[in-house]
Amino acid sequence: DTGVSQNPRHKITKRGQNVTFRCDPISEHNRLYWYRQTLGQGPEFLTYFQNEAQLEKSRLLSDRFSAERPKGSFSTLEIQRTEQGDSAMYLCASSLAGTGGSFTDTQYFGPGTRLTVL
Amino acid sequence: DAKTTQPTSMDCAEGRAANLPCNHSTISGNEYVYWYRQIHSQGPQYIIHGLKNNETNEMASLIITEDRKSSTLILPHATLRDTAVYYCIVVGEKLTFGTGTRLTIIP
Repeated sequence: DTGVSQNPRHKITKRGQNVTFRCDPISEHNRLYWYRQTLGQGPEFLTYFQNEAQLEKSRLLSDRFSAERPKGSFSTLEIQRTEQGDSAMYLCASSLAGTGGSFTDTQYFGPGTRLTVL
Repeated sequence: DAKTTQPTSMDCAEGRAANLPCNHSTISGNEYVYWYRQIHSQGPQYIIHGLKNNETNEMASLIITEDRKSSTLILPHATLRDTAVYYCIVVGEKLTFGTGTRLTIIP
């Protein structure tokens, strides 16, 4: 399968613990996005990378959240000192952007990581 | 980004065409209309997108009005596997999801 993959698919943690999620994009895609989705809502943009550069961060991304894409391939999203309000589905997407591209480049999503904070 | 308005829910009989409307009256000239769907507990799946012209692919057709203020996604022969939440998104700077239309295909 050559789609976007995310690991783990499910994570249960206790409040205050740190968690890290991984996303592997479609291999030739240079853009990678993170979204968060809570129950009954559509996905909300968190941040995105073009190659290894993090180009934009939503104000939803508090200082407890950090994302990296060190070699321009896979990405990790870490949440420190988790809170119950962090419980959500975390989605990753990737796209192939041209030199002048914006968010109009078609994004392909992974299956998501469902986080439950007890 | 332009906001979109979609019905909260719709039903469609299996085998019939499902027509999902979307209003985007504040769309700008360079903003695309994208459709995604999300089946329960899965990531969103890209369906189709367009700028001005009608588009068709193996999944669906997208009809955009001439003034671009509204569009319709057509699933020509709906099956039970098409039951999902369908998101209409106008994309300029960001992919901003609303709450979508919950489409239920009735056997």
